[in-house]
Amino acid sequence: AQSVTQLDSQVPVFEEAPVELRCNYSSSVSVYLFWYVQYPNQGLQLLLKYLSGSTLVESINGFEAEFNKSQTSFHLRKPSVHISDTAEYFCAVSDQGEYGNKLVFGAGTILRVKS
Amino acid sequence: KAGVTQTPRYLIKTRGQQVTLSCSPISGHRSVSWYQQTPGQGLQFLFEYFSETQRNKGNFPGRFSGRQFSNSRSEMNVSTLELGDSALYLCASSSIYGYTFGSGTRLTVV
Repeated sequence: AQSVTQLDSQVPVFEEAPVELRCNYSSSVSVYLFWYVQYPNQGLQLLLKYLSGSTLVESINGFEAEFNKSQTSFHLRKPSVHISDTAEYFCAVSDQGEYGNKLVFGAGTILRVKS
Repeated sequence: KAGVTQTPRYLIKTRGQQVTLSCSPISGHRSVSWYQQTPGQGLQFLFEYFSETQRNKGNFPGRFSGRQFSNSRSEMNVSTLELGDSALYLCASSSIYGYTFGSGTRLTVV
């Protein structure tokens, strides 16, 4: 079974500074990887995903993540954060088995952007 | 294109009662899955339905059940509620391109 480890439970950072949220997954033949963001009292919003192809994936709001198969990592980065990026971020892997699919989530990383 | 709709948004129930939550997926999506989110356990998979059949199930007691209708709408039911069932319940609609989540139902058991 797949597992996901988010190495930091909280990441404080000043506005306009760069940030990296780390994510490692357990090895598998093929993986589909996702980053979701959750604002207070809301559901999960898809930030970006890796299904196949280019190992660097980007979102429309400046985040990017790189799929690294040798290190089994899918770290999320942003070169310059804004106050509005304050939220909880979840890394997830799609566990596709014989009996159906499911997402396996990491524990989440709370990004706190300070002015 | 309408997103995933979950109703109700908030619920307060008493221990021992039962509750039914509803999820309407994105039009054309046949797979619906449910997740429980709590501060202690994080996001945990409950079950997945595809074309009215439960295809996958997580490690939850039998008090948690679900079903899917022919129009792909899904319901989940929790019987004999316990305080520990208080959580945000999220529904996801999926296609080959990924998963889209609803806003969730916040269940509080008192």
